[in-house]
Amino acid sequence: GDSVTQMEGPVTLSEEAFLTINCTYTATGYPSLFWYVQYPGEGLQLLLKATKADDKGSNKGFEATYRKETTSFHLEKGSVQVSDSAVYFCALIPNDYKLSFGAGTTVTVRA
Amino acid sequence: EPEVTQTPSHQVTQMGQEVILRCVPISNHLYFYWYRQILGQKVEFLVSFYNNEISEKSEIFDDQFSVERPDGSNFTLKIRSTKLEDSAMYFCASRPFSGSSYNEQFFGPGTRLTVL
Repeated sequence: GDSVTQMEGPVTLSEEAFLTINCTYTATGYPSLFWYVQYPGEGLQLLLKATKADDKGSNKGFEATYRKETTSFHLEKGSVQVSDSAVYFCALIPNDYKLSFGAGTTVTVRA
Repeated sequence: EPEVTQTPSHQVTQMGQEVILRCVPISNHLYFYWYRQILGQKVEFLVSFYNNEISEKSEIFDDQFSVERPDGSNFTLKIRSTKLEDSAMYFCASRPFSGSSYNEQFFGPGTRLTVL
């Protein structure tokens, strides 16, 4: 079935460091891909999305490119801030519109 | 900006009791979902709902679970007889029928259910 595998955490970084969280997927057809973020004590917020191959989603300095050839959607940010500390979830929607989430990656950014 | 709301934010109940978790989806959305996240685990799909009926459910969503849209604004998840393993964060989500966000699910803040 459809599934998402993302890099296990936790990840601890210093402020202004470069962040990459790897995400690969298995799906039939052409799913849409998402990154959701969960800040401490809060719900899930959509961070960015891409709906077709080679699309790049971007928001708040984060980027991810839909790579069909490698079935990947890695999340990157060039310079993280303390406020980026959160759990990041990669997710996909196949044709039936039910989200499948990865396990989540906890990111902690130190000042 | 419109948002999905959920009540209560935290519910504590005794094993075997019934609980109802409430959600108010975004007003012009037509697709509704429940997900749950057991502490430290991934977010899991429970059920999707469209046109006043369940369109898909996971194997987690057994006979103890039910969903309802009792009026034009609320979307509820009922657990008839709670078990310890039902303790989790429950997220409601809604999705529009069309438009640029048609495949984007908007999540509420969640209800933390604790079963003692």
